Amino acid sequence: QLQLQESGPGLVKPSETLSLTCTVSGGSISSSSYYWGWIRQPPGKGLEWIGSIYYSGSTYYNPSLKSRVTISVDTSKNQFSLKLSSVTAADTAVYYCALLRVHWYFDLWGRGTLVTVSS
Amino acid sequence: QSVLTQPPSVSGAPGQRVTISCTGSSSNIGAGYDVHWYQQLPGTAPKLLIYGNSNRPSGVPDRFSGSKSGTSASLAITGLQAEDEADYYCQSYDSSLSAPFGGGTKLTVL
Repeated sequence: QLQLQESGPGLVKPSETLSLTCTVSGGSISSSSYYWGWIRQPPGKGLEWIGSIYYSGSTYYNPSLKSRVTISVDTSKNQFSLKLSSVTAADTAVYYCALLRVHWYFDLWGRGTLVTVSS
Repeated sequence: QSVLTQPPSVSGAPGQRVTISCTGSSSNIGAGYDVHWYQQLPGTAPKLLIYGNSNRPSGVPDRFSGSKSGTSASLAITGLQAEDEADYYCQSYDSSLSAPFGGGTKLTVL
């Protein structure tokens, strides 16, 4: 049974880079049936898609975040990662990793991790 | 200013039927892309509720149903129960190669 788990620092300073990793267990990240994605949710607000990646490395980013986002995959570790540069307080949110089906719906979610941007 | 527009809140009494709308545009729902729905209970991660406009994953009660027409979609919940109180989000695909969510709708069971 596939499971996803986010990990990374819970506190990041303004102007620095936020880095998170999602570890996939119970299955292979190299499956051709899935994409992998990141979604965030600021406290008390709605969901925002950040971007997605295929195991081959093809990436798709939210146009509003594209200039600051990098998503990568490490098939040897069964992990994919998120980097968000030049963060501000507006990037404070719960960050979720998720499995994305080829018809672009999020079938399985991690539990989420809160990242706070503060000095 | 979400790409997909949902009402901020809806409410209903136990046993009643409620609907939640999701309005998009010609670059997403109107372009023929599927609409998907998620339920987020307080303090938990979202859970897939409806995929491909009207399909329920295994384990989702048939009280939940989805439909799509033109540039809009709807989620209907019949036989409302207290446990249905949650936030609901629609999501689709956009021709800008993105996967936008609606702003979310808070369902209150009176």
